[in-house]
Amino acid sequence: NAGVTQTPKFQVLKTGQSMTLQCAQDMNHEYMSWYRQDPGMGLRLIHYSVGAGITDQGEVPNGYNVSRSTTEDFPLRLLSAAPSQTSVYFCASSTRVGEDTQYFGPGTRLTVL
Amino acid sequence: LAKTTQPISMDSYEGQEVNITCSHNNIATNDYITWYQQFPSQGPRFIIQGYKTKVTNEVASLFIPADRKSSTLSLPRVSLSDTAVYYCLVGDTGTGFQKLVFGTGTRLLVSP
Repeated sequence: NAGVTQTPKFQVLKTGQSMTLQCAQDMNHEYMSWYRQDPGMGLRLIHYSVGAGITDQGEVPNGYNVSRSTTEDFPLRLLSAAPSQTSVYFCASSTRVGEDTQYFGPGTRLTVL
Repeated sequence: LAKTTQPISMDSYEGQEVNITCSHNNIATNDYITWYQQFPSQGPRFIIQGYKTKVTNEVASLFIPADRKSSTLSLPRVSLSDTAVYYCLVGDTGTGFQKLVFGTGTRLLVSP
């Protein structure tokens, strides 16, 4: 098992550009989520999904879109990048929420100029 | 929403026992309490999870009182490599879907 994989590892964007951060897991987990972590701060939930076709907003959803067409993949789209979105983005998955552990990917470090 | 509150930072020395307490006054009946560890430039890593009373594994112990409004992560005989940020999570059922929300985290510094 590869666990949770994220691509790219690093990305630099210009203000206004769009891009998609990829996240995939091979553990057949139903629950997947995206977090952002700003320097020296804790993780904040952006969006999450409790299964294919079901997504919902977290604490800081503005400027991001998600979809969950398959169990394995949960991409995060930045619609129009802003410097405030400079952060490290982590994807996580688990079998169920609240009763199981989350497995985190290695993160994507995004810089928006 | 089930929010958590932790101390921002703690200092310790090698070989000491460290106890980090997390407050979660609005924990729901079905929520579990989970602790994660995060090193710089890495994603969080699961440490321990519990529902009530006490849970122990090879890494840590988790103490949960009967009212479940707080929990204490206990790290026995810490080493320099335990320097990290520790997060307490509880399930969040605010909107009908359960969400896991990270708290502020506790930055533990272990010195020689």
